[in-house]
Amino acid sequence: KNEVEQSPQNLTAQEGEFITINCSYSVGISALHWLQQHPGGGIVSLFMLSSGKKKHGRLIATINIQEKHSSLHITASHPRDSAVYICAAYHRLWETSGSRLTFGEGTQLTVNP
Amino acid sequence: SAVISQKPSRDICQRGTSLTIQCQVDSQVTMMFWYRQQPGQSLTLIATANQGSEATYESGFVIDKFPISRPNLTFSTLTVSNMSPEDSSIYLCSARQGGDNEQFFGPGTRLTVL
Repeated sequence: KNEVEQSPQNLTAQEGEFITINCSYSVGISALHWLQQHPGGGIVSLFMLSSGKKKHGRLIATINIQEKHSSLHITASHPRDSAVYICAAYHRLWETSGSRLTFGEGTQLTVNP
Repeated sequence: SAVISQKPSRDICQRGTSLTIQCQVDSQVTMMFWYRQQPGQSLTLIATANQGSEATYESGFVIDKFPISRPNLTFSTLTVSNMSPEDSSIYLCSARQGGDNEQFFGPGTRLTVL
């Protein structure tokens, strides 16, 4: 079982719709990272958060540490939002005082005009 | 933040040959990583590139197949040796400044092995 689970795997929406992608993790983490990957392969960092909520433009990310759950919301979705969205958890490595990044399987989002 | 560039961006190679991928970071970073992303799958860590010493490989990856260099704090290379079609993947370089800081990713190298 993957330590980081995402849902849904695939999501198709109409332009303008409100989008939610969910991420849950099984063990304690120091932070969670939401990433966006376009068809060319490059990965863009959207948010890194360890508590509460962050907002950037039409994107909002929330995290609930007690429930081990995070969500990425896209308001007023647009076809250019079509991409794979990946959540990645920073698992603390006590022996090195660093952290290890574990990735979810990704959510393929398609926004139709 | 760190900006990461990779060369080449894509390549098509013949079975049995080797390809070296270069990764350049625009600032000094303590940690550099190499990931593989096979078609339709998430990222898998190949190794952590250590400056001035041998890379630390994850289970299932060996130095003979994926030799890595890291001569300084801004540059690393990954070689995919004796390639087979199963090596067709996106290879991503990644960097982090310190243990708990945000990790950044390069644009990836899309490799196709015929």
